[in-house]
Amino acid sequence: EDQVTQSPEALRLQEGESSSLNCSYTVSGLRGLFWYRQDPGKGPEFLFTLYSAGEEKEKERLKATLTKKESFLHITAPKPEDSATYLCAVQAGGSGYSTLTFGKGTMLLVSP
Amino acid sequence: EPEVTQTPSHQVTQMGQEVILRCVPISNHLYFYWYRQILGQKVEFLVSFYNNEISEKSEIFDDQFSVERPDGSNFTLKIRSTKLEDSAMYFCASSESAGDYSGNTIYFGEGSWLTVV
Repeated sequence: EDQVTQSPEALRLQEGESSSLNCSYTVSGLRGLFWYRQDPGKGPEFLFTLYSAGEEKEKERLKATLTKKESFLHITAPKPEDSATYLCAVQAGGSGYSTLTFGKGTMLLVSP
Repeated sequence: EPEVTQTPSHQVTQMGQEVILRCVPISNHLYFYWYRQILGQKVEFLVSFYNNEISEKSEIFDDQFSVERPDGSNFTLKIRSTKLEDSAMYFCASSESAGDYSGNTIYFGEGSWLTVV
């Protein structure tokens, strides 16, 4: 069974204080690892897809990296508007049609 | 930017009633999905749909659930006889393809919040 574990569950940062979120996964043949941002009461908003170990992607203050067992979402000099829940999801090789298995997410709060 | 749209945004229904949640996927996408998120829990896969038929479904998607693409733009989820435990946010999603790399990114709508009383 595919599993995704995210840590920490919650993270409180001061504005400008960089940090990293972790996503550990066990999956039978990774096809893709996805990061989404979710604001309260809203749907997941796509951020990144990573396909192979060693791959990195960046968008503004966010950088996602991937190893064979985990992914990190690095947040550099965060701003209050980065406050949200960050979801990690995997797409496994056994899935027929792009189904995603999600972690519980990391709730990030950035204080001014 | 193209987006997945869902209606209604919020629905309250009596236990045992039928509910239909509606979605308009991104126009050039071929794969459609329903996921749900019970308050405070993970986003969970329900069903995927391609070429007018269900391609995968989870254990959650039992006989009380059904999906349909009634026309060229809409995609619906029907719950025949709602239970209290069906209360959740239901997300419609779509993707261009299901192969490897960029085409298989799944884009989500804003959700329909279902409350069963």
